[in-house]
Amino acid sequence: RKEVEQDPGPFNVPEGATVAFNCTYSNSASQSFFWYRQDCRKEPKLLMSVYSSGNEDGRFTAQLNRASQYISLLIRDSKLSDSATYLCVVPRGGSQGNLIFGKGTKLSVKP
Amino acid sequence: DAMVIQNPRYQVTQFGKPVTLSCSQTLNHNVMYWYQQKSSQAPKLLFHYYDKDFNNEADTPDNFQSRRPNTSFCFLDIRSPGLGDAAMYLCATSRDPGVTNYGYTFGSGTRLTVV
Repeated sequence: RKEVEQDPGPFNVPEGATVAFNCTYSNSASQSFFWYRQDCRKEPKLLMSVYSSGNEDGRFTAQLNRASQYISLLIRDSKLSDSATYLCVVPRGGSQGNLIFGKGTKLSVKP
Repeated sequence: DAMVIQNPRYQVTQFGKPVTLSCSQTLNHNVMYWYQQKSSQAPKLLFHYYDKDFNNEADTPDNFQSRRPNTSFCFLDIRSPGLGDAAMYLCATSRDPGVTNYGYTFGSGTRLTVV
């Protein structure tokens, strides 16, 4: 299994739709996980952190399943402005724990 | 506002001509990272500094070097850029090494074109 793996998409959804992305990771020792959002030709920006079983922030819900080693991101009531690439980020094992990025899942929300 | 600043935003260099990208931070973070991101790919960690300690990723080519003269600044030197080195170079910081609840703070990146 790759360190971090995501479905690249693209996911094309209408406004108002609910969409979910999954991400799998290989290092069972990882404790904290992150979802970053990256707009075209811009830097990644932190969207959500996930430590325990999950985290919710408005329309966004992140869930963690340690047994199956996957993280999900759910976006409810999609807005046009949600169109971006969503990067799953996992710390590599070891004392340094540097963050390793997935390739990202591209979301396109259409009117 | 405390932030991570990368200069320049866009850099064009000639094949084989050394180029330096710069990153500065006002966050007073101990760790600074350099990532390379090619089109439609994941950001790939090249190396990082924890204070003055340099940590190279095993698969980072020797063509890439870094310097951190002080806490605030970190430079990425590409000794002999090839066409395959064209990418977005992202600088990031974190207060401490290892897992942090806040992820990393990224600069806006430098997009490098090699001609």
